[in-house]
Amino acid sequence: AQKVTQAQTEISVVEKEDVTLDCVYETRDTTYYLFWYKQPPSGELVFLIRRNSFDEQNEISGRYSWNFQKSTSSFNFTITASQVVDSAVYFCALSEAAREGNNRLAFGKGNQVVVIP
Amino acid sequence: NAGVTQTPKFQVLKTGQSMTLQCAQDMNHNSMYWYRQDPGMGLRLIYYSASEGTTDKGEVPNGYNVSRLNKREFSLRLESAAPSQTSVYFCASSEDGGTPYEQYFGPGTRLTVT
Repeated sequence: AQKVTQAQTEISVVEKEDVTLDCVYETRDTTYYLFWYKQPPSGELVFLIRRNSFDEQNEISGRYSWNFQKSTSSFNFTITASQVVDSAVYFCALSEAAREGNNRLAFGKGNQVVVIP
Repeated sequence: NAGVTQTPKFQVLKTGQSMTLQCAQDMNHNSMYWYRQDPGMGLRLIYYSASEGTTDKGEVPNGYNVSRLNKREFSLRLESAAPSQTSVYFCASSEDGGTPYEQYFGPGTRLTVT
């Protein structure tokens, strides 16, 4: 069974500080996909990134960066120089590509990020 | 291009009442999903449909039924609502093609059962 753990429930940072969100996953498959979504206070879910298990390169997109470490089963997300607009709940999710219905996502419980101006 | 739309946005039901949540997507996606989101629980999959005419249970299907009416529409029905079904319900859709693509979510339906 696939499982995603986001241990930090709420994280408060002062604007311009960096914040790192931890995501640890469990799967028996060798082929899988990891995702991060953002849920701002308005409630919609916004896709941020998709990464497959064969691509361990880190990724940077503006102030967002992701560190994928297969050896520790982690896919951590860092927001650099945080801004108030980054205040949201961030979800990590896992999909095991090898299974029938392979688009099923297992979500972590989310990290609530509060950026204090 | 509206993406994924859901109706209604808010609903209050009494215990035992029934209702259907509607979802439609205009992205020509084959796969569609229903999730519920409860405080501190993340999103949990209720049902999904890999293609028109097929549906399958997710993690928390009890108390719900679904219909994939056509490629665009995927409805979720509560036959006899219970307070435990108070939640925010999200519909999503995605491409498929052998690998999991990102899911696009609707704005959600906030349901309260009293």
